[in-house]
Amino acid sequence: AQTVTQSQPEMSVQEAETVTLSCTYDTSESDYYLFWYKQPPSRQMILVIRQEAYKQQNATENRFSVNFQKAAKSFSLKISDSQLGDAAMYFCAYRRGGSTLGRLYFGRGTQLTVWP
Amino acid sequence: DAGVIQSPRHEVTEMGQEVTLRCKPISGHNSLFWYRQTMMRGLELLIYFNNNVPIDDSGMPEDRFSAKMPNASFSTLKIQPSEPRDSAVYFCASSSETGGDEQYFGPGTRLTVT
Repeated sequence: AQTVTQSQPEMSVQEAETVTLSCTYDTSESDYYLFWYKQPPSRQMILVIRQEAYKQQNATENRFSVNFQKAAKSFSLKISDSQLGDAAMYFCAYRRGGSTLGRLYFGRGTQLTVWP
Repeated sequence: DAGVIQSPRHEVTEMGQEVTLRCKPISGHNSLFWYRQTMMRGLELLIYFNNNVPIDDSGMPEDRFSAKMPNASFSTLKIQPSEPRDSAVYFCASSSETGGDEQYFGPGTRLTVT
């Protein structure tokens, strides 16, 4: 079974600084996708970034980037120039590849606090 | 696009009552997912449909839970009878096989069973 582990229940960062959220996963598959979702207090789940396992290049979306280490099964999220609006719960998620029907497997989340 | 629509946003009911949660996926999406979020178990999949057909219902807790998708634009998740341990946030998400396959989530329904 696929498992996703987020070892940091809580993290905090000063506004304008950089923070990295950790995620590891366990799978025997070679084709899969990884995601980071953000859940603010409104509880809406918002996709932040995705990474295809077959791509060696790390995904980047504006201030958000990932460090994907396939051999180590590690998928960390870096938030640069942190803003107050980045405060939220962040979930790492895994989906098998080969089919678009796959379910998401979520980690337990990391609560990010941004200090002014 | 209106996004995934869920109703109601909040539901408070008494133990033993029937509860029906509703979801309208994004137009054109052909996969629909029901997730449940609790403090104890985190986010977990209950069931998902593709082209209105249930594909994987292994996450449905027990026979008290049932889900239907009578057409491409509507799905229900029903709990009968409800129990206090069913209290959670229930999310519906949809995705499309074309134009990207990310799952887009609705705002969730917060269910409280007293």
